[in-house]
Amino acid sequence: ETGVTQSPTHLIKTRGQQVTLRCSSQSGHNTVSWYQQALGQGPQFIFQYYREEENGRGNFPPRFSGLQFPNYSSELNVNALELDDSALYLCASSLDRGHYGYTFGSGTRLTVV
Amino acid sequence: TQLLEQSPQFLSIQEGENLTVYCNSSSVFSSLQWYRQEPGEGPVLLVTVVTGGEVKKLKRLTFQFGDARKDSSLHITAAQTGDTGLYLCAGGDSSASKIIFGSGTRLSIRP
Repeated sequence: ETGVTQSPTHLIKTRGQQVTLRCSSQSGHNTVSWYQQALGQGPQFIFQYYREEENGRGNFPPRFSGLQFPNYSSELNVNALELDDSALYLCASSLDRGHYGYTFGSGTRLTVV
Repeated sequence: TQLLEQSPQFLSIQEGENLTVYCNSSSVFSSLQWYRQEPGEGPVLLVTVVTGGEVKKLKRLTFQFGDARKDSSLHITAAQTGDTGLYLCAGGDSSASKIIFGSGTRLSIRP
């Protein structure tokens, strides 16, 4: 079975720009969750998609938005980038919302300059 | 707001020693997970515990979920240099719509 794949692996953007990060979930998984991890910190929950619907959201502004597609892959979009958005963005897939654990991708390192 | 506090934040010990990492909250969780993360990689799931008082063993690692499902511990016996990494606990509510993570314990094992 394939794991979770994220693209791109690294990205540099300018403040004010928009970015789209992509995630292919593990085969058989129907839930994708997105996390932001600042250096030296634990991952912070952004939102979760379950069967193409947003199923929960953390304390992130509306300029963070997402999608889940019929094949359960997902996108994270961030508008009007700020310097503080620089972080590792992690995608995690799971079966049925992740009560028993997630499979994470290796992340996208976003740098906003 | 649910919060998970991990302690200690940093731990550096000699190879062969034992250690315990703690994960505490004032909230009740329906499940608690432990992950290990290496630099430049995503976290890797080690174990999930769901029953209060549950103890799970994974080779030299022992995980315990508190009776009240508010806390957990990870004990490593005879630490090895390969155990080095960031250890994260994560808790889920009953709907599992949000799994929150602690800030992690950075473990360094000296040869």
